Amino acid sequence: SAVISQKPSRDICQRGTSLTIQCQVDSQVTMMFWYRQQPGQSLTLIATANQGSEATYESGFVIDKFPISRPNLTFSTLTVSNMSPEDSSIYLCSVSTSGYNEQFFGPGTRLTVL
Amino acid sequence: ELKVEQNPLFLSMQEGKNYTIYCNYSTTSDRLYWYRQDPGKSLESLFVLLSNGAVKQEGRLMASLDTKARLSTLHITAAVHDLSATYFCAVLADTGFQKLVFGTGTRLLVSP
Repeated sequence: SAVISQKPSRDICQRGTSLTIQCQVDSQVTMMFWYRQQPGQSLTLIATANQGSEATYESGFVIDKFPISRPNLTFSTLTVSNMSPEDSSIYLCSVSTSGYNEQFFGPGTRLTVL
Repeated sequence: ELKVEQNPLFLSMQEGKNYTIYCNYSTTSDRLYWYRQDPGKSLESLFVLLSNGAVKQEGRLMASLDTKARLSTLHITAAVHDLSATYFCAVLADTGFQKLVFGTGTRLLVSP
């Protein structure tokens, strides 16, 4: 497994602003993933972030709204842009470190947009 | 497109009872994962099931996988309050991108 940290752990933001969430891993990993978990819901994959290439976005998510950076093998950021109350969710990063495609999750960032 | 469904969505049970959570998925996959999420917390990996017929057990929880039926089960034996949490199954949808598709989740409440 890996030790994963996220910053901030929670934030309350105003409509129309942007927030950047950081994800740090204690070891080098090839793939990092960003998920959204809306209140009382399951997890939905936003995008897969590979070092040295553009992130791969899932249907319904676009780079203009959720730009992602992956500058090295231990770090990634997700920005939630031009926020609206519908963006209020928990945002989780995860990494895959084993040969079994098992993913390990960070503690999450709880975002509330007013 | 891979769909993953769990049932029940909510399960209230008494301590000491047994019950099973079901996870059905719509397209072929031979890898399935179970996670636990406590309220306000992140996800904890419970089981990795890698092939048809795989069975894993940890304490009062036992998970199995039937790839032909596209079904996984999470069996709870003699439930205790500490097992109260939300349980998610996730299916590997794309080995290249290592993409997981999560089930709807089952919220388990174990009462004394």
